[in-house]
Amino acid sequence: GNSVTQMEGPVTLSEEAFLTINCTYTATGYPSLFWYVQYPGEGLQLLLKATKADDKGSNKGFEATYRKETTSFHLEKGSVQVSDSAVYFCALSDPGAGGSYIPTFGRGTSLIVHP
Amino acid sequence: GAGVSQSPSNKVTEKGKDVELRCDPISGHTALYWYRQRLGQGLEFLIYFQGNSAPDKSGLPSDRFSAERTGESVSTLTIQRTQQEDSAVYLCASSLGGSRRFTGELFFGEGSRLTVL
Repeated sequence: GNSVTQMEGPVTLSEEAFLTINCTYTATGYPSLFWYVQYPGEGLQLLLKATKADDKGSNKGFEATYRKETTSFHLEKGSVQVSDSAVYFCALSDPGAGGSYIPTFGRGTSLIVHP
Repeated sequence: GAGVSQSPSNKVTEKGKDVELRCDPISGHTALYWYRQRLGQGLEFLIYFQGNSAPDKSGLPSDRFSAERTGESVSTLTIQRTQQEDSAVYLCASSLGGSRRFTGELFFGEGSRLTVL
C-alpha cells in the first residue's frame, strides 16, 4: 500500500532561518505529491505540488522537488517568517492503474517560528 | 459559497448523545471526503464519496459512524452514542472527481470541532 513518512515535530526556528521538513513516500504506482499547510484554527490548504519526477513545486517561498530515485519530496524555505508557523502535511495521490482516489497524508509536522 | 463549508464549527455534547456534522462541498466537485484529526495527530481517513458510486467506507472506525451524501451536494456525518474518544476535529474536503478530472488536490473546509464530555 501507499504511505507517507514525515519528520517528527515540532520544528522550532528563529525568523529568517532555513527550513527543511523531510518527507518520504512509498507508492505502488507513479503518484502526484503535495504539501498542504494548516494554519491555527483553519482547514488544510494546498501549498504546492509536483506531478512527475524532477518537477519542483513552489509557492510563497517554499519549494519541494519530486525525487523518484530517493522517493522523497522534502519541503524547503530559505528564510522563514513568524507567519509561517503552522502544521505542514505531505501527501500523495496515486489513482492510476487501479489505484485509489483517496490521498494518503503524513502525520504532519508542526513548525514554530520565533521572532 | 466559493469554498467548502462545514457546520457546526464547534459542537459540545454529552457522552451517549448523537451528533450530525454537515459539509457543503464546492459546486461541481463530485468527490467528497471526511477525515478525522485528533489533537496533535495526523489525518485519519473516514469515508469517500464519488458521484453516484457506492461510497468507500473503509475508514469508518465503528458502526456508530455513518455518512450520507445526496447526489453531488451536501454530506452529513453522523456519530451515534458518542464516546469521549470521538472528540476531534472532523474535516471535510472535496475535489474534482472521476478518472478524467481527478488531480489529487483536495479542498478542505475549516472543520467541525467535536468535544464529547
